Amino acid sequence: EVQLVQSGAEVRKPGESLKISCKGSGYSFTTYWIGWVRQMPGKGLEWMGIIYPGDSDTRYSPSFQGQVTISAYQSISTAYLHWGSLKASDTAMYYCARGGSYFHHWGQGTLVTVSS
Amino acid sequence: EIVLTQSPGTLSLSPGERATLSCRASQSVSSSYLAWYQQKPGQAPRLLIYGASSRATGIPDRFSGSGSGTDFTLTISRLEPEDFAVYYCQQYGSSPWTFGQGTKAEIK
Repeated sequence: EVQLVQSGAEVRKPGESLKISCKGSGYSFTTYWIGWVRQMPGKGLEWMGIIYPGDSDTRYSPSFQGQVTISAYQSISTAYLHWGSLKASDTAMYYCARGGSYFHHWGQGTLVTVSS
Repeated sequence: EIVLTQSPGTLSLSPGERATLSCRASQSVSSSYLAWYQQKPGQAPRLLIYGASSRATGIPDRFSGSGSGTDFTLTISRLEPEDFAVYYCQQYGSSPWTFGQGTKAEIK
C-alpha cells in the first residue's frame, strides 16, 4: 500500500526557519515525483512544486520559487519542504502528494502556524 | 500560467440529484491533461478523475469527467450524502500546474 506520512504540526515565529517532511513507503521512492501543495486557511489548493527523488530534478511554481526549497533523500525515502525565513503569510496546511502530473496519493498534511 | 475558473462557486442540491461542475481554462489545456479532486473538511484531497475523463482507482461510476481544450465538466449522476464536499480541477499540461479555486457542493 502506497503511503505518504508527513511530520507533525509546527508553530514558529516570523523569521525562523523550518523544514517539514514527507516519508514515502509501499513503492519505489526514487521513481515517482513528489509534489507539495499549500492550502491557506479556508482557501483553495496551490501547486508549489515537485521533485524527482531519483535525480533531484526540481520544478517550482513561479509563485513559490525563491520562497521555499524542495529536497529529497533517497536513502530514507523522504521529501522535504524548507523555509529559510518564515512569514505570517506562510501559515497554512501543506500537503505532499505523489505524482509529476496529477496527484494520486496524498499525505495527511502538516499544519504550519507562523505567529509572533 | 493557465488560470482555471470553476463555476458555480457553490452548488446547492439534494441527495439523488445530478451535479454538473464546470472548469474553464484561460488557454487550451494540452492533451486534456486535467484532473478533478474531492476534498472533505479536515481531509486531504482525493483524486477522482485524470486525463479529463479517466476515473481513478476505486472511484464510483457516478463520477464522470468530460471536455477538452478550455472547457471541462465533472458530473455526479446521483448525489450521495458523502459527495457533499469541495471539488477542485487541476491542469498539468502547461507548467506550472495550477488548480481552480474550487466548487462547494452543499446539501440543499
